[in-house]
Amino acid sequence: ILNVEQSPQSLHVQEGDSTNFTCSFPSSNFYALHWYRWETAKSPEALFVMTLNGDEKKKGRISATLNTKEGYSYLYIKGSQPEDSATYLCASYTGTASKLTFGTGTRLQVTL
Amino acid sequence: NAGVTQTPKFQVLKTGQSMTLQCAQDMNHEYMSWYRQDPGMGLRLIHYSVGAGITDQGEVPNGYNVSRSTTEDFPLRLLSAAPSQTSVYFCASRRVRDSYEQYFGPGTRLTVT
Repeated sequence: ILNVEQSPQSLHVQEGDSTNFTCSFPSSNFYALHWYRWETAKSPEALFVMTLNGDEKKKGRISATLNTKEGYSYLYIKGSQPEDSATYLCASYTGTASKLTFGTGTRLQVTL
Repeated sequence: NAGVTQTPKFQVLKTGQSMTLQCAQDMNHEYMSWYRQDPGMGLRLIHYSVGAGITDQGEVPNGYNVSRSTTEDFPLRLLSAAPSQTSVYFCASRRVRDSYEQYFGPGTRLTVT
């Protein structure tokens, strides 16, 4: 994998559903993996920064895992709420700590 | 702290005009960067700086210049605007050593006609 890739591109779930997204990134020369939450007409806000293989982080109903050896990270949302509706971006510093490469995001819509 | 601020919030330019997008941060962050956001393309890095007096190119630097004379400010200059530069521009900053979490400004929506 040469770029940071995210799947699915978009997701539509109902309130109360749990969901997860995938971020794939180059596993060689790994430095750090970021997850951001991006609401329409606002700027991205950092959710997690992960650096160690096997890392798991949690913030409320949102959690993330990291596998640096195979180059993927999962973001989980438990019991989705309408306010979780946003685009979730992942980004990776690869090769150098100077250039953060973003995926195109997963757009989540949660309806009642 | 005001965090990362950007001006203007909106701008319309005609092809060939030049302008400067301003970015400032009051967190004493060494690292600052500029991204553009286009539909289906995510955030793409234009230029970045790891400290005052040091700048480098990102993925899509053509048509843009930057300078970093102070730690706080990182202006982005469009030399001769083109319709392809219509986009939303985000400035971001972070510490180099202690943390890699980036803080984004509110964005500048630029339209080139």
